[in-house]
Amino acid sequence: SAVISQKPSRDICQRGTSLTIQCQVDSQVTMMFWYRQQPGQSLTLIATANQGSEATYESGFVIDKFPISRPNLTFSTLTVSNMSPEDSSIYLCSVAWAGDYTGELFFGEGSRLTVL
Amino acid sequence: EDKVVQSPLSLVVHEGDTVTLNCSYEVTNFRSLLWYKQEKKAPTFLFMLTSSGIEKKSGRLSSILDKKELFSILNITATQTGDSAIYLCAVRNNAGNMLTFGGGTRLMVKP
Repeated sequence: SAVISQKPSRDICQRGTSLTIQCQVDSQVTMMFWYRQQPGQSLTLIATANQGSEATYESGFVIDKFPISRPNLTFSTLTVSNMSPEDSSIYLCSVAWAGDYTGELFFGEGSRLTVL
Repeated sequence: EDKVVQSPLSLVVHEGDTVTLNCSYEVTNFRSLLWYKQEKKAPTFLFMLTSSGIEKKSGRLSSILDKKELFSILNITATQTGDSAIYLCAVRNNAGNMLTFGGGTRLMVKP
């Protein structure tokens, strides 16, 4: 298992600003993902954070809007750029180990962003 | 594109009732199906299913997978107010470890 710390836990942001969310894991993990959960919706994968290289984005998500860093095996950041009210969501960091056939994906506690 | 559909969208029951939550899926190169419970922000893992017909059980919760008909059910017996949550179904294909989530079923258990 893993302990995943996300911060901030919540924030209220002004339109047009950017916010960076941090995800720290207490052990080295192979895979790190960022999900978004809009109000009343399920989880949608934004991107896979790749160590030392550009993240792999899912359809509908672009690097300019959601730049991601992953400098090492235990840490990643997601930035929500030029925010609008539509970006109000919970953003979740999740981790897994490649080749781990137990199937469990561990989630951080999430960061709830409200954009005014 | 992988797809997961859950039903019902929401459900209100009374303590002691039994509920069945449904999850149907379409996925290329299916690897596993997972159930999560989400009470506040972080989903917590319940079950992973890979083989048809084998029931996974944990206390009052149980789940089974039908790979021929492409669906899974999650049963909760003798429900309690603490079971109130969103229940998420997700599938994983052989391409990687990322999950495709369904829309979730919001369960409310009334005293």
